[in-house]
Amino acid sequence: SQELEQSPQSLIVQEGKNLTINCTSSKTLYGLYWYKQKYGEGLIFLMMLQKGGEEKSHEKITAKLDEKKQQSSLHITASQPSHAGIYLCGADIRVSGSRLTFGEGTQLTVNP
Amino acid sequence: GAGVSQSPRYKVAKRGQDVALRCDPISGHVSLFWYQQALGQGPEFLTYFQNEAQLDKSGLPSDRFFAERPEGSVSTLKIQRTQQEDSAVYLCASSSRFSSGNTIYFGEGSWLTVV
Repeated sequence: SQELEQSPQSLIVQEGKNLTINCTSSKTLYGLYWYKQKYGEGLIFLMMLQKGGEEKSHEKITAKLDEKKQQSSLHITASQPSHAGIYLCGADIRVSGSRLTFGEGTQLTVNP
Repeated sequence: GAGVSQSPRYKVAKRGQDVALRCDPISGHVSLFWYQQALGQGPEFLTYFQNEAQLDKSGLPSDRFFAERPEGSVSTLKIQRTQQEDSAVYLCASSSRFSSGNTIYFGEGSWLTVV
């Protein structure tokens, strides 16, 4: 979606390294969702952010929402091979009714 | 059930054949969504139901695509006269009610290949 851009498109890191994935919206964010997807499978819910400045963590994954910048970041600390997959951000930007608009995804590879 | 269930998981259809994809949302979930995901792309919205009412079908790519949820629970996405460009993963999602604050859960998807 052009309304939601993710960067980088792909990322290869060495196990143990930290990494950050960004999601930027061209519209006001009313809710931001992060999902993880393995190839050919469904989306696994990670976190949801609603308020500006909100930050949530689950295990070694932290997500933040910068409402003013209309941007969210997903940070993984001390990456492991189990973190590999496609990370998708989905946003409620209320452009066309009730739905989430998704970015193109970030393909993460973690080399042991 | 524990999660959103979709069937079949994999479907190979000959061009021109009709297909039906089923979605069993989480019990009690009011909101139901269908998305289409092409290889290497993010999911694209197809349609949205609140209970049995189809409130938004603006994402359906053509009149060959039809979705229903007659009793407000199970939903079926039907594709008539399939074409090669219909090959994609079809994802179903449900939520207790779509609004900021409610988690949206996705199923495993139905992978359609049209040959």
